[in-house]
Formats: sequence, C-alpha cells, structure tokens
Amino acid sequence: QVQLQESGPGLVKPSETLSLTCAVSGYSISSGYYWGWIRQPPGKGLQWIGNIYHGGSTYYNPSLKSRVTISVDTSKNQFSLKLNSVTAADTAVYYCARKPTTEDWFDPWGQGTLVTVSS
Amino acid sequence: QSALTQPASVSGSPGQSLTISCTGTSSDVGGFNYVSWYQQHPGKAPKLIISDVSKRPSGVSNRFSGSKSGNTASLTISGLQAEDEADYYCCSYAGSSTYVFGGGTKLTVL
Repeated sequence: QVQLQESGPGLVKPSETLSLTCAVSGYSISSGYYWGWIRQPPGKGLQWIGNIYHGGSTYYNPSLKSRVTISVDTSKNQFSLKLNSVTAADTAVYYCARKPTTEDWFDPWGQGTLVTVSS
Repeated sequence: QSALTQPASVSGSPGQSLTISCTGTSSDVGGFNYVSWYQQHPGKAPKLIISDVSKRPSGVSNRFSGSKSGNTASLTISGLQAEDEADYYCCSYAGSSTYVFGGGTKLTVL
C-alpha cells in the first residue's frame, strides 16, 4: 500500500524559498507514475502546483511556473518542491499525491503539511 | 487558468439526494472527459471518489455518481448520510498536462 508523507519547515520568511519533501513508501518512484504537489490556503480551495514524472519531466501551474521547481530523487524514493520569493499568499497546507501515468486523477494523497509565510 | 466554479455550500436531510455542480470552460471541463471529484473531511487529506467524470474507484460507495454536460460536471450523492458531511472538490484536466480544481463545496447534512 503506497503512502506519501510531506516534510519541511513549517515557517518561512517572506521573499525566501519554501522547500518541502514528499517521502514515498510502499512503491518505487522509479517504477512509474507522476508525482504531484497541491496546496490549500487556510479555509480555501485546492490549487494544483505541478507534477513530475519519475524520469524527471515536469509540468507546472502557469500561474506559479516562474517560482516553482519540482525534482525527484529516486535513490531516496522521494520528490521535492521549491517555491521561491514567497509571500503571505503562499501560506497553505501543501499536499503531495500520486497520479497514474495515463490517468488524470490524484490518489493517494499525503496527510499535508502547513507552511506559514511570516516574518 | 481560472478555478472551476462550484456552489459554496449545499445542504440536505438524511436519505435525500443532492447534486453539486462544477462549471468550467471548453478548455477544461468541456474539452475533456477527465473530471475527478474529491471528498475532504475537516483536517484530513482529500480522497478520490470519482474519476473520469463518472468512474467510481474500488471501495467508494455507489451512492456517489458523476456526470457531465457541456462545460458543467456534476456529483450526485444519493441516500444522504451524516458521514457525507464534508467538503467536495472537482478537478479537471486543462490541457498541456495541467490541472485545475474547483473552489470547493461544503456539504451539510441537516
């Protein structure tokens, strides 16, 4: 049974870089699937951030593309998110999730991690 | 790429049926049969309940069903139960390997 677990700092200062990691267990990332990041500002809806294929191909939300980098480390069976030049608007619960290669849905999801942008 | 439009809230009594709409454009909902729905209980991660407009994953109650007409997708919940009280989100493929979510709908069971 595949499980995803997000980790990273819960507090980031404005203008700095948000960095999160999603550790995958129960499945080898290098075996396939896309791996994605989705966020949810407090009390608001979900926003797709981007996906990465195990081979490294990346796809980003156009509205965040200039600030986002998603990478994969198959040796550690994890993938990561970097969002630079953060502001208070980037405060959110960040989720990682798996997307089948030829399907267009996300399952399962990690439990999520709250990142607050504040000085 | 704008968020899909969902009603902010819906409510119903136990046993009733209700439908949550998800309106997009011809560039997302209307252009592809790749709409998925997620259920999110407070403090929990979203859970997939419908894929590809109307497919129900294994283990999901058959009280949940999905459909689409034009630029609007719909989630219908029949035989409403107290445990169905949650937030519901639609998501659509939007071309070029990108995705867009709806703003979410809070379902209250009266």
